[in-house]
Amino acid sequence: AQSVAQPEDQVNVAEGNPLTVKCTYSVSGNPYLFWYVQYPNRGLQFLLKYITGDNLVKGSYGFEAEFNKSQTSFHLKKPSALVSDSALYFCAVRDYNAGNMLTFGGGTRLMVKP
Amino acid sequence: DVKVTQSSRYLVKRTGEKVFLECVQDMDHENMFWYRQDPGLGLRLIYFSYDVKMKEKGDIPEGYSVSREKKERFSLILESASTNQTSMYLCASSLIDSRDEQYFGPGTRLTVT
Repeated sequence: AQSVAQPEDQVNVAEGNPLTVKCTYSVSGNPYLFWYVQYPNRGLQFLLKYITGDNLVKGSYGFEAEFNKSQTSFHLKKPSALVSDSALYFCAVRDYNAGNMLTFGGGTRLMVKP
Repeated sequence: DVKVTQSSRYLVKRTGEKVFLECVQDMDHENMFWYRQDPGLGLRLIYFSYDVKMKEKGDIPEGYSVSREKKERFSLILESASTNQTSMYLCASSLIDSRDEQYFGPGTRLTVT
């Protein structure tokens, strides 16, 4: 079975400060990991993914994430937050051996204050 | 750009009604998915389809059925709507490769009274 945990319901950060949104996962095989963002009244938009290779993955809007196999984590980061980054963020995992079914975390609301 | 459209943004139905939610994608994707989104629970997979007329149950299929008669269209059916099916429903599509990301529609907020 595969699972994802996003331990923080909400993250608050001041504009211009670095941000981190945490994600840990559990799979029996090798993971494919994804981050999505949801702006108000919108569907989910893909941000970035880790499939294989370099542990640091860069994505859209200046976001990046680091795959850490020993800690089974895939935290989302950005060096300097913008007010427009305020949204709901979802981490998702797919076990390499589990076909096409993605498992999502519960989501973390990011609030960036001016 | 991939476009996934859903037939309604908002829908209000009565308990016991049969409800159809439709999803269309324009990128010739093999896979299509239906999720429901509830606060604190994230997205939960209801059903997915990897080909026309093919379907597989997700994590919460009870009370739902699906239909995929054409590659671009995937319908979610609530045979007899209940109040606990009040939720946001999201459709997604992707290529057949499990490394590929899913593309989501804008969602349908369904209220069952």
